[in-house]
Amino acid sequence: DADVTQTPRNRITKTGKRIMLECSQTKGHDRMYWYRQDPGLGLRLIYYSFDVKDINKGEISDGYSVSRQAQAKFSLSLESAIPNQTALYFCATSAPGPNSPLHFGNGTRLTVT
Amino acid sequence: KNEVEQSPQNLTAQEGEFITINCSYSVGISALHWLQQHPGGGIVSLFMLSSGKKKHGRLIATINIQEKHSSLHITASHPRDSAVYICAVSPRGEGGSEKLVFGKGTKLTVNP
Repeated sequence: DADVTQTPRNRITKTGKRIMLECSQTKGHDRMYWYRQDPGLGLRLIYYSFDVKDINKGEISDGYSVSRQAQAKFSLSLESAIPNQTALYFCATSAPGPNSPLHFGNGTRLTVT
Repeated sequence: KNEVEQSPQNLTAQEGEFITINCSYSVGISALHWLQQHPGGGIVSLFMLSSGKKKHGRLIATINIQEKHSSLHITASHPRDSAVYICAVSPRGEGGSEKLVFGKGTKLTVNP
């Protein structure tokens, strides 16, 4: 079983719909992250959480919200999806410290029509 | 602003060739990461290094802190090495993984 699991793997939705992407992990890490990847661009951080009560905005948080339901679960929501949110979304976890590697999920490919 | 530049953007090689992917960055760092993104989308961490060289199988990563440059080498390349390789840096003194700055990636295709 994967250490970091994202659901769904693929999703097509319409403009204006609310959508939730889910992430769960068995790494036991306190730190969890949501990134988006667009063609020709590097990974960009949407939100991150250091523990259940510590949630922070990343570089591109507008239009997104998150919920840290438990140490192992971190969900990303698009309250009203728009076409330019079409992207590949990744959840990741890490241990504390500046040099801890990220452990990624397999990604969710989201298309907003 | 810290920038991470990778070259080349795209690379096509024949099986067996020696591959080099380059990464340059503009500020002091505490660590540099090399990641591999498979065609199916999943991303795995290959190396994290702050000095010198690391080797894992046919993959070798080197870093020159003074020149702010790192290279990822693949010896005896194989079609299964086809992937996007991503460089990311942790700026010195700026917290943890939430501060990582990512390059845009190098797409490697190895033909049989």
